[in-house]
Amino acid sequence: NAGVTQTPKFQVLKTGQSMTLQCAQDMNHNSMYWYRQDPGMGLRLIYYSASEGTTDKGEVPNGYNVSRLNKREFSLRLESAAPSQTSVYFCASRVTRVTEAFFGQGTRLTVV
Amino acid sequence: AQSVTQPDIHITVSEGASLELRCNYSYGATPYLFWYVQSPGQGLQLLLKYFSGDTLVQGIKGFEAEFKRSQSSFNLRKPSVHWSDAAEYFCAVGGGADGLTFGKGTHLIIQP
Repeated sequence: NAGVTQTPKFQVLKTGQSMTLQCAQDMNHNSMYWYRQDPGMGLRLIYYSASEGTTDKGEVPNGYNVSRLNKREFSLRLESAAPSQTSVYFCASRVTRVTEAFFGQGTRLTVV
Repeated sequence: AQSVTQPDIHITVSEGASLELRCNYSYGATPYLFWYVQSPGQGLQLLLKYFSGDTLVQGIKGFEAEFKRSQSSFNLRKPSVHWSDAAEYFCAVGGGADGLTFGKGTHLIIQP
């Protein structure tokens, strides 16, 4: 069972470079989420997609964009990476807003 | 706005001793509550969840949690910890479209 799959697992970027983090789920979930995890900060919501065709900002959206490509896929784009975006990024999905979320293994991003 | 407080950043417990991790939440409606565990370099795994009904919920790996509405708490317990329980533990609350709100986590250290 694949669950939630994130690519890549590790990435190093130079300041100003762009990249897209990919996320796909095979559980037919309606809602998908991007979080970032920083030491001592827990997980903070960047963007979410409550259903296919919709996206909304979370707590820390600045510097990011998202695309809900279809029901399975939800990508996160950094247009011009900054050192402050060095973090571990997690994608998650769930069936509805009243069920638990399932998480991918994370992408460890370093911006130098 | 919803929020979660985990008062203990670090907790050290001897192997075989009992464990209680504290979680307090703030939520405007009936809360949906979760505990997740994260091993180093891994994603988040659901330990247990509370949606309604019995306020004492059982989870995986021998964990349980008790929902106390009057105290806005959802503390995690385990009667006897094992060295493999060393990890980061996150409490979360959610029931809205915008995903789960996480506490900052408690780092559990197991002493031999």
